[in-house]
Amino acid sequence: DTGVSQDPRHKITKRGQNVTFRCDPISEHNRLYWYRQTLGQGPEFLTYFQNEAQLEKSRLLSDRFSAERPKGSFSTLEIQRTEQGDSAMYLCASSPTGGTVKNIQYFGAGTRLSVL
Amino acid sequence: SQKIEQNSEALNIQEGKTATLTCNYTNYSPAYLQWYRQDPGRGPVFLLLIRENEKEKRKERLKVTFDTTLKQSLFHITASQPADSATYLCALDMNYGQNFVFGPGTRLSVLP
Repeated sequence: DTGVSQDPRHKITKRGQNVTFRCDPISEHNRLYWYRQTLGQGPEFLTYFQNEAQLEKSRLLSDRFSAERPKGSFSTLEIQRTEQGDSAMYLCASSPTGGTVKNIQYFGAGTRLSVL
Repeated sequence: SQKIEQNSEALNIQEGKTATLTCNYTNYSPAYLQWYRQDPGRGPVFLLLIRENEKEKRKERLKVTFDTTLKQSLFHITASQPADSATYLCALDMNYGQNFVFGPGTRLSVLP
């Protein structure tokens, strides 16, 4: 198992365009999280899935943001009508619900979004 | 209002010394508190977890304490090495793994 993978690693887009990021969690992990991180700050929680169900959403997640996790496997995060303030690192993490490592998050390397 | 703070944005220490990082929070009641390490351009990596009913946890050169009365966690790295240089993040587990709040991080530099 190669850990959590995110694609693309970097995305440059023009303001107003839509972008979609993909996250492939560790295969046996049923919890999946999305975060946003800006320079010099810690990750900000965006949303959480348990299997395919989206159970938590932050108030940071405006109606331009949507996340899905069909079939409880990979997840996508879409940002519509991007704004310059959306420029950040978008991190995905996964976690098991059982065993000795439950509630520990395993992060991907992130997708860096630049909105011009 | 709810707030989570880490003692300083940056901390410089000499190799071989003990680094002590602080995480303070207000108006939260976390079930667990976790510490992560983050290197530039990479995602955070889990280091230690401590439960609300635990006072101290150790792992090799790392030690974390958790005082729910003071609403504070201390993270110690003993015999620090230049390879320990990174940003260290504390994270509050607000709902048994369903919602996390991260602090802003402390950038540690261990000087040879």
